[in-house]
Amino acid sequence: QKEVEQNSGPLSVPEGAIASLNCTYSDRGSQSFFWYRQYSGKSPELIMSIYSNGDQEDGRFTAQLNKASQYVSLLIRDSQPSDSATYLCAVNGISGGYNKLIFGAGTRLAVHP
Amino acid sequence: DGGITQSPKYLFRKEGQNVTLSCEQNLNHDAMYWYRQDPGQGLRLIYYSQIVNDFQKGDIAEGYSVSREKKESFPLTVTSAQKNPTAFYLCASSRMNSGNTIYFGEGSWLTVV
Repeated sequence: QKEVEQNSGPLSVPEGAIASLNCTYSDRGSQSFFWYRQYSGKSPELIMSIYSNGDQEDGRFTAQLNKASQYVSLLIRDSQPSDSATYLCAVNGISGGYNKLIFGAGTRLAVHP
Repeated sequence: DGGITQSPKYLFRKEGQNVTLSCEQNLNHDAMYWYRQDPGQGLRLIYYSQIVNDFQKGDIAEGYSVSREKKESFPLTVTSAQKNPTAFYLCASSRMNSGNTIYFGEGSWLTVV
C-alpha cells in the first residue's frame, strides 16, 4: 500500500463547477496535511495546509480532513480554466527515523470552458 | 525578493559526468531538501538537512551527494553512479517546527545526452 494515494485522473470538470480532489494516507500518526498545485513544467506551490479535523476555507479552496478515515480532500469552487494543473497531496510522517513530507503522485485536473 | 533560487534551470549531462545543481535560499529557513520528480510521478526525497554541516539520506540517495556548509546553500551533486538521472530536480526549504510546510524553488531539468 502506498503511503499517500491519489487518483491520477484526469478529473475533468466544466468551468464554474466544484472540483473535488481526494487523498488517503496510511500513517495514523500524521499530523500535518498539505495541498500543492503544480502547473506543467513548474514547481509545486502551496495552496492549503490543514492540521485538525474538519474544514478549512481559503477563498475558493476548502480543505477537509478526517483523521479517523485517514483521508484529506480539496474542494475548488467556481472552477476556472486557470485551475487546470496537477494537485499534490502531502502528508507528514515518520520514516527511517526522521519526520518528512510524503507526497502522493498527484491528480491532474482539467477545467474546460 | 525572498525565495529559493535554483540554477541552472536546464542542464545536460554526458554519460559518466558529475554535475552539481545549486540551491540558495534567503528565507532564513533551517531545513533544506532535494526532491526528484519523474514524469507523471510524485516527489521523492533525495537528501535533506536540518542544520549546517549535517544532512540525512532520503529515499533515493544512491548516486547523489550534498553538502551544507552554509545555512543558505544546499548544492546537490549528481554523480556518475546515478544511472538514470534524467528528471526534474526540486530544492525546497522550511522553518523548523513549522508543521513541515515546505516551499520550493523553480526546479532544474537535468537531461543525460
